[in-house]
This record gives sequence, C-alpha cells and structure tokens, in this order.
Amino acid sequence: LAKTTQPISMDSYEGQEVNITCSHNNIATNDYITWYQQFPSQGPRFIIQGYKTKVTNEVASLFIPADRKSSTLSLPRVSLSDTAVYYCLVGRGGAGSYQLTFGKGTKLSVIP
Amino acid sequence: SQTIHQWPATLVQPVGSPLSLECTVEGTSNPNLYWYRQAAGRGLQLLFYSVGIGQISSEVPQNLSASRPQDRQFILSSKKLLLSDSGFYLCAWSSLADTDTQYFGPGTRLTVL
Repeated sequence: LAKTTQPISMDSYEGQEVNITCSHNNIATNDYITWYQQFPSQGPRFIIQGYKTKVTNEVASLFIPADRKSSTLSLPRVSLSDTAVYYCLVGRGGAGSYQLTFGKGTKLSVIP
Repeated sequence: SQTIHQWPATLVQPVGSPLSLECTVEGTSNPNLYWYRQAAGRGLQLLFYSVGIGQISSEVPQNLSASRPQDRQFILSSKKLLLSDSGFYLCAWSSLADTDTQYFGPGTRLTVL
C-alpha cells in the first residue's frame, strides 16, 4: 500500500479557497486517489476520487499531476461547516483492495 | 438509496464484560462490509472486512471477533473487553466493484471502564 503524507493541520478564513496537498511517492500504476472528510463523532464521508489530471464534483476538485506522486484537494470558498479532518488515501481502485489505510489526515479549521 | 445503521450509538462497559455491536445496511445487496476503530486523536484502523455471509477477514489480531450472519448484517463482538478497546467503532460498506469508495455508518462510541 502506498504511504501518504499530508499536513497535520491548516487554517483558513471563510470564503477562501483551500488547497490540501497529499504526497504519495510510491503510488502504484493501478492505484486511485480518494479523499474523505470526517466531522467530529461521525464516520468519514467520501468526497472525491481520481486517477489522473483533474476531477471535479459539486463539493471539490482534485488535481493530480502527470507523475501522480502527489494530489491536491481544492475546496472552493470554504465555510465554517467545512471544518473537519480530510484524509487522503491511495489504493487499488475497483474490486479487491479492501484495505483503506487512513492516516491522521489534515485538520482544517475555518475561521470566521 | 442506501443507508447504514449502527447501534448502540454510545456504550459504557466495565472491563471484562462482553460486547456486541450491530451494523445493518439497507438498499443494496451483496455489499462488502467493514469494521473500523478510531482511537482518540488517531486515524481509522481496519479491524475486519467481509465479502459475503460467513466470510470474515481479520486485519488486526486482538480479542475482538466479527460475524456476518446475513447478507446485510455485520456484528462485532468480544467475550471480555479490555481498557484498550475503548474507541469509536465504525461500520462501512462498499460495492464489490469499488472497494475504495466506502460509506460509513454513524458509529458507536465505546468506553471501557
């Protein structure tokens, strides 16, 4: 399983765009990159998943450079409700991986 | 739509007592099911996963066990709880085709005294 490294914490003001970068130097050819969001005392929630280039949904964008050794989760115009822990995971997409390895994640604090 | 339920929401148990946490999924069939534990201030640790009725794989050896008596029911048990079993227990499901996209339940906060 590829190891991921992301900042322990980040602060941002409301209305700003937040970019959280995750390093995964040992990503395998078949690995996908998935981001989850977790609020206190709740289970993680799937945000976005990608393999290469850029993926966008109604919640966030995910930027993946050509070498795929890192990825950046972009949250546009954050609000106080975006305060949460964000996890970057790398695993074999599709069937058979089973082992989602959650690290400590990045604790995002949005300031009024 | 699919929903996942866990109960109880909170539990306080003495050391040495048994444990049974239940998880059920609605709106899907043949899901993969998972049990995770999150200790205070730490990431999630995968404890067990199941790809079908009666099929359990353990990721971490410990005094916990899991069972899947029905397709959409997953149970986490212990015969004798330890202090170190305290934590936030999360059940999750995924489809067979995409095991990286997992959907988590509301969790059970277990405190062992």
